[in-house]
Amino acid sequence: NAGVTQTPKFRILKIGQSMTLQCTQDMNHNYMYWYRQDPGMGLKLIYYSVGAGITDKGEVPNGYNVSRSTTEDFPLRLELAAPSQTSVYFCASSSSGRRGNQPQHFGDGTRLSIL
Amino acid sequence: GESVGLHLPTLSVQEGDNSIINCAYSNSASDYFIWYKQESGKGPQFIIDIRSNMDKRQGQRVTVLLNKTVKHLSLQIAATQPGDSAVYFCAENSPDSSYKLIFGSGTRLLVRP
Repeated sequence: NAGVTQTPKFRILKIGQSMTLQCTQDMNHNYMYWYRQDPGMGLKLIYYSVGAGITDKGEVPNGYNVSRSTTEDFPLRLELAAPSQTSVYFCASSSSGRRGNQPQHFGDGTRLSIL
Repeated sequence: GESVGLHLPTLSVQEGDNSIINCAYSNSASDYFIWYKQESGKGPQFIIDIRSNMDKRQGQRVTVLLNKTVKHLSLQIAATQPGDSAVYFCAENSPDSSYKLIFGSGTRLLVRP
């Protein structure tokens, strides 16, 4: 069982470039999330989705976009990369539960550097 | 605002000793709490969770204690092993929106041989 799979694992971008971070899960979870983690810090929520076709902003959505066309996939798009977006990005998923009462399961992250 | 914080950024323990990692939360309406372990280069790994209708929950070598009176959460690891060396995060559910978690900044656990 693969769980949550993120690709690529590493990427270096130039300022102004765009890219899509891929995330897929095989647990049939309704809920999916994107976080960023800066060095020595906790996780900050970028976007989340409660099901296919439904997305919503988290704490730090500026500079990012998401889509959720299927239950399995939740890609994160950076349109105009900026140095402030250098970070480690984690995708997570969880099953349905009242008021979030289910643990989120994480992928191993994408390490992104913007130069 | 809401926050989940940790008292000790780094904890060093002798192999075989018990470890206690503490966490304070600020929102009394939060009713679900989770501990995650994050090893270098990996994503957070779920360890144990607890709901607010419980004070204590035990897993394999780990125990989570919840004190709602003082809004305090702790993770106890018995007989700490070198493989326990990692950063540990606590998280609480966000009462203002479904399914979101609020994470603390983490505590690094170092296990001395």
